[in-house]
Amino acid sequence: KAGVTQTPRYLIKTRGQQVTLSCSPISGHRSVSWYQQTPGQGLQFLFEYFSETQRNKGNFPGRFSGRQFSNSRSEMNVSTLELGDSALYLCASSSSMGSNEQFFGPGTRLTVL
Amino acid sequence: GEDVEQSLFLSVREGDSSVINCTYTDSSSTYLYWYKQEPGAGLQLLTYIFSNMDMKQDQRLTVLLNKKDKHLSLRIADTQTGDSAIYFCAENNNAGNMLTFGGGTRLMVKP
Repeated sequence: KAGVTQTPRYLIKTRGQQVTLSCSPISGHRSVSWYQQTPGQGLQFLFEYFSETQRNKGNFPGRFSGRQFSNSRSEMNVSTLELGDSALYLCASSSSMGSNEQFFGPGTRLTVL
Repeated sequence: GEDVEQSLFLSVREGDSSVINCTYTDSSSTYLYWYKQEPGAGLQLLTYIFSNMDMKQDQRLTVLLNKKDKHLSLRIADTQTGDSAIYFCAENNNAGNMLTFGGGTRLMVKP
């Protein structure tokens, strides 16, 4: 079974631009969660989608948004990029809500110049 | 709110046991997890424990949970150089899949 895939793996943008990251969960998994990892703040929860609906949301500004498609693939979008948005963005896949196992992808490394 | 704390660094010799500790504050945690992260990689799920258990063993890994003290530990037996990585504990305390992570413990294994 293929694991969680994230594209692109690396991205360089400039301040003020917007970016879209993609995550394909493990086949059959319907829940996708997104996390931001930075040296200063560690791993922080962004949001979770299940069956195309946002179920949980972390404490991030409205510039961060996401969506999930009917095939469970998810995208997250960051508009008006700031230098502080430079981070590793990780998505996690699980089979259901409240699942005891969540599997992470390799992440997308975003650098904002 | 929830808070998960870990020590920053642990150094052991190859062949010794490693014990990585974690404390959490939310008593409603349902599952507690240990993840491993190697340089440039995502998070690898190592093991998890349900909150009504106090111990779980999986090959070289032993997880101990003291719910009264809100303390979680991961013991790695016969630590190898390939175990060098950052280890994160995390808790899940709601009906969804939102995880709250500790800051990570960097494990260094010396030959």
